[in-house]
Amino acid sequence: GQQLNQSPQSMFIQEGEDVSMNCTSSSIFNTWLWYKQEPGEGPVLLIALYKAGELTSNGRLTAQFGITRKDSFLNISASIPSDVGIYFCAGLSYGGSQGNLIFGKGTKLSVKP
Amino acid sequence: EAGVAQSPRYKIIEKRQSVAFWCNPISGHATLYWYQQILGQGPKLLIQFQNNGVVDDSQLPKDRFSAERLKGVDSTLKIQPAKLEDSAVYLCASSPWTSRFSYNEQFFGPGTRLTVL
Repeated sequence: GQQLNQSPQSMFIQEGEDVSMNCTSSSIFNTWLWYKQEPGEGPVLLIALYKAGELTSNGRLTAQFGITRKDSFLNISASIPSDVGIYFCAGLSYGGSQGNLIFGKGTKLSVKP
Repeated sequence: EAGVAQSPRYKIIEKRQSVAFWCNPISGHATLYWYQQILGQGPKLLIQFQNNGVVDDSQLPKDRFSAERLKGVDSTLKIQPAKLEDSAVYLCASSPWTSRFSYNEQFFGPGTRLTVL
């Protein structure tokens, strides 16, 4: 079945540093989604990518849909303490009228003030 | 606008017992999902409803899990009997859209953390 490999598993960075994480798969996806989950909460959508090569920003977050449609990247610039959480990538493939969404295992981000 | 509501927030049961979770989606949202999130993993879809009909339940362990969405609004997810490996957070999400585009705009509830002893 489809699987997503998300890396790194965890990151410990200093406030103000930039962060990069990525998601790869052997499968092709139609849409890539990036979520953030904080303790005791459900995931919140950060960025959605719909076309191969697409580069989209949301404040200090920038994500890209890989040209091969098998990968995606998320960058966070100038990290702040409230960026702490688990970041999930999710790949969406279309089969008929419905979609199939799978999540990566997450990247846990810790930011030291 | 109120978000997706779930209850209870926490539940501890012994194996072979039964448990039920409740979800109230955002008002007017046609599509409702139940996900299972095991510690250290991303969410895994269990079942998707559009209004009160099941769209996808291919990953629902039907020998022990059941779900319903009566009247196309609230939903309940039941496990009977529970196993140790069912310990997880059960997330409910809703979307105003139907069909494959519904995933592009999902709103998640806070989840119910289930511990099976």
